[in-house]
Amino acid sequence: GQQLNQSPQSMFIQEGEDVSMNCTSSSIFNTWLWYKQDPGEGPVLLIALYKAGELTSNGRLTAQFGITRKDSFLNISASIPSDVGIYFCAGQGTSGTYKYIFGTGTRLKVLA
Amino acid sequence: EAGVTQSPTHLIKTRGQQATLRCSPISGHTSVYWYQQALGLGLQFLLWYDEGEERNRGNFPPRFSGRQFPNYSSELNVNALELEDSALYLCASSFWGSETQYFGPGTRLLVL
Repeated sequence: GQQLNQSPQSMFIQEGEDVSMNCTSSSIFNTWLWYKQDPGEGPVLLIALYKAGELTSNGRLTAQFGITRKDSFLNISASIPSDVGIYFCAGQGTSGTYKYIFGTGTRLKVLA
Repeated sequence: EAGVTQSPTHLIKTRGQQATLRCSPISGHTSVYWYQQALGLGLQFLLWYDEGEERNRGNFPPRFSGRQFPNYSSELNVNALELEDSALYLCASSFWGSETQYFGPGTRLLVL
């Protein structure tokens, strides 16, 4: 099936460091969502973006809707051990089918 | 307010059997989405139901089917199970036309 290109695939960082990850697509999207999935659980919505260029924060998390509408970025500042998990981006296209395409995920591990 | 619930949490079947997975959406949500998450992979869109009708379908064979009941809960049925059907099956719900999908904890299906 269709998927977004999400990078990096995995990251090992020290507690307190900042983290950046991104998603890119060959298609234009109307909406970008970022989810976090803890082991054995379903994804939890972190941030939703609805407009090109939009920059939205949720605590230590900041996400941006790329101006080209083909990419999005998620930054985590001052990482803590509970940030461990898999981060997924999801994009909703312009076809009106309300179907989301998900990225392959970025696996984040935080070393104390 | 209760979130999306799924049952069972785990399911073990053998090849050729049928599996039935259940999902109850957040109260007030009319749309239910099903995704497959194979080990190490992203989320693959399976099915979207709204108001009792199938609205969209991902690239999966017909042995993956489902339905939505009048109370908006949903079932996913997988017939003639194959080993590669082993995965985490996630259900999400949303208001009709909403960009935001909220996920349940998933059902982990193991096919032996």
